[in-house]
Amino acid sequence: ILNVEQSPQSLHVQEGDSTNFTCSFPSSNFYALHWYRWETAKSPEALFVMTLNGDEKKKGRISATLNTKEGYSYLYIKGSQPEDSATYLCAFWEYGNKLVFGAGTILRVKS
Amino acid sequence: EAQVTQNPRYLITVTGKKLTVTCSQNMNHEYMSWYRQDPGLGLRQIYYSMNVEVTDKGDVPEGYKVSRKEKRNFPLILESPSPNQTSLYFCASSLGGSGGPYEQYFGPGTRLTVT
Repeated sequence: ILNVEQSPQSLHVQEGDSTNFTCSFPSSNFYALHWYRWETAKSPEALFVMTLNGDEKKKGRISATLNTKEGYSYLYIKGSQPEDSATYLCAFWEYGNKLVFGAGTILRVKS
Repeated sequence: EAQVTQNPRYLITVTGKKLTVTCSQNMNHEYMSWYRQDPGLGLRQIYYSMNVEVTDKGDVPEGYKVSRKEKRNFPLILESPSPNQTSLYFCASSLGGSGGPYEQYFGPGTRLTVT
């Protein structure tokens, strides 16, 4: 079973702080890397899907980078707001047809 | 509205009583998948399907069955549920049959308790 690791497990920040999380995945047989945002009592929603080494994606205050050679991706949130509080999941798609999720990083933003 | 629907949303059942959780999508997606979510373990894939009549095991398929007779539907069947299948279940779909570069759209989840 593939191992996808996310760090930290949880993070508590103040409103306005910038923060970042890490997703580590196997560097072989890479096909795609997904980031999802999962709010309490809702379903996960896609933030980014990245497929190329060096990919950088941005959506508002949230951005992500990808390094397939060393097997990691960073998710950045600039100027965190209370509504950013959620669990952030990354998922690795090995060439084939399986998507393997990390355990997630729980973000809590205090106002 | 483009969506993935699941039913039921909540279910409490007893050990050994067969049950089916339905999943349907209206986006003409090729790929569909079932996940379970347990505290501290993240989402784990149970089964997936690249297209009609094509299904394959994920990482935790034991105790589950699926079928894909129509493109839009992908039911999850528990023939003889056990307490260790108590979990939150998500169905998801994505555009391409190969899955990888396409985001997953998740259903609302089914909270299953087996006593």
